[in-house]
Amino acid sequence: AQKITQTQPGMFVQEKEAVTLDCTYDTSDPSYGLFWYKQPSSGEMIFLIYQGSYDQQNATEGRYSLNFQKARKSANLVISASQLGDSAMYFCAMRERQGGSEKLVFGKGMKLTVNP
Amino acid sequence: DAGVIQSPRHEVTEMGQEVTLRCKPISGHDYLFWYRQTMMRGLELLIYFNNNVPIDDSGMPEDRFSAKMPNASFSTLKIQPSEPRDSAVYFCATRKGEETQYFGPGTRLLVL
Repeated sequence: AQKITQTQPGMFVQEKEAVTLDCTYDTSDPSYGLFWYKQPSSGEMIFLIYQGSYDQQNATEGRYSLNFQKARKSANLVISASQLGDSAMYFCAMRERQGGSEKLVFGKGMKLTVNP
Repeated sequence: DAGVIQSPRHEVTEMGQEVTLRCKPISGHDYLFWYRQTMMRGLELLIYFNNNVPIDDSGMPEDRFSAKMPNASFSTLKIQPSEPRDSAVYFCATRKGEETQYFGPGTRLLVL
């Protein structure tokens, strides 16, 4: 079963508008972490934002915020005032512990295109 | 501070050749991860180390792949012999404790 689901293969948004990128997850670990990474066409993986499973407040980092709905097991990324440079692949990831192993599991990613 | 350093950035080789990818973690980071990214399979964790010790190598595709971390500032991923299906981008990522994981720029491997 997929641990991280990103159902939107691609999205288009107008510059300066807000956009929400969906992510749902599945885990039985009570302690986990959720991450979003950005991968522009140049290929590097850039960390954007982190949410811990016990965090009471939704995480925010500049124009990025994470809409964390624990009961629904969703961790959507919200980008406010989108910019042309936001065009990239976006990956949701979850860190969980399985036995003696702790690792990040990534979703398939989704492509965001910001139009001028 | 320097980020995660990977070399080479690009590698083109012929089937059957040995390929060695290198990674220098961020100083002080005690976890090191090797990933492979392809269009078909996305981002896959191959192996990770904690304090230079391999913890989970369940993602290593087969015996042709091996990874080492002889000290806290260096790791290698070796493919011998290489095959065209190994063509991918290989990322090294590191983190300190339970903090955020940071990725290197990746090595783009093409096996002809």
